Amino acid sequence: RKEVEQDPGPFNVPEGATVAFNCTYSNSASQSFFWYRQDCRKEPKLLMSVYSSGNEDGRFTAQLNRASQYISLLIRDSKLSDSATYLCVVKGGGNFNKFYFGSGTKLNVKP
Amino acid sequence: DGGITQSPKYLFRKEGQNVTLSCEQNLNHDAMYWYRQDPGQGLRLIYYSQIVNDFQKGDIAEGYSVSREKKESFPLTVTSAQKNPTAFYLCASTRDGIYGYTFGSGTRLTVV
Repeated sequence: RKEVEQDPGPFNVPEGATVAFNCTYSNSASQSFFWYRQDCRKEPKLLMSVYSSGNEDGRFTAQLNRASQYISLLIRDSKLSDSATYLCVVKGGGNFNKFYFGSGTKLNVKP
Repeated sequence: DGGITQSPKYLFRKEGQNVTLSCEQNLNHDAMYWYRQDPGQGLRLIYYSQIVNDFQKGDIAEGYSVSREKKESFPLTVTSAQKNPTAFYLCASTRDGIYGYTFGSGTRLTVV
């Protein structure tokens, strides 16, 4: 079983739509959670960390459900510039800072 | 500005040749990592290092080697033993894991 699993996508949505991505992780001892954005042929860039209480950054909202080992990302009022691949990232339990990556969910926002 | 610099951006390797990818950071991060990404796939961990002069194999270390002689530098050598090296290679670092990784801009390696 993979450490982190994501909806494979692609998600094709019109501008202005609300879209949600889900991610599950297998290690209940996981400590930190993140969403990264990766544009085509570029490096991943941190979009936001995910906190137990949930957190929001503009049009983006991230939620964590530790009991279900589930992370979500909600994007409201989608823009063309939101088109990218979104990676769910989980820091494993233990002292070492080893991160596990989902394979990514591709989002295409269309005019 | 602090960051991670990877070079070269593009690299072409002939069959049977060893090549070295450079990764330098000025973020004062202890932990550094090398990942490989194949088209349409996720990141796979090759090697990682928590401190100078120490490094560990990741999930796909065969055919690769690393060194960590300085805190700032973590070069990756792709040896001739790596049978399918064509991929996008990403170097990353983190201070303490709380704030996630910082990535370099990557090296795209192609076998010719």
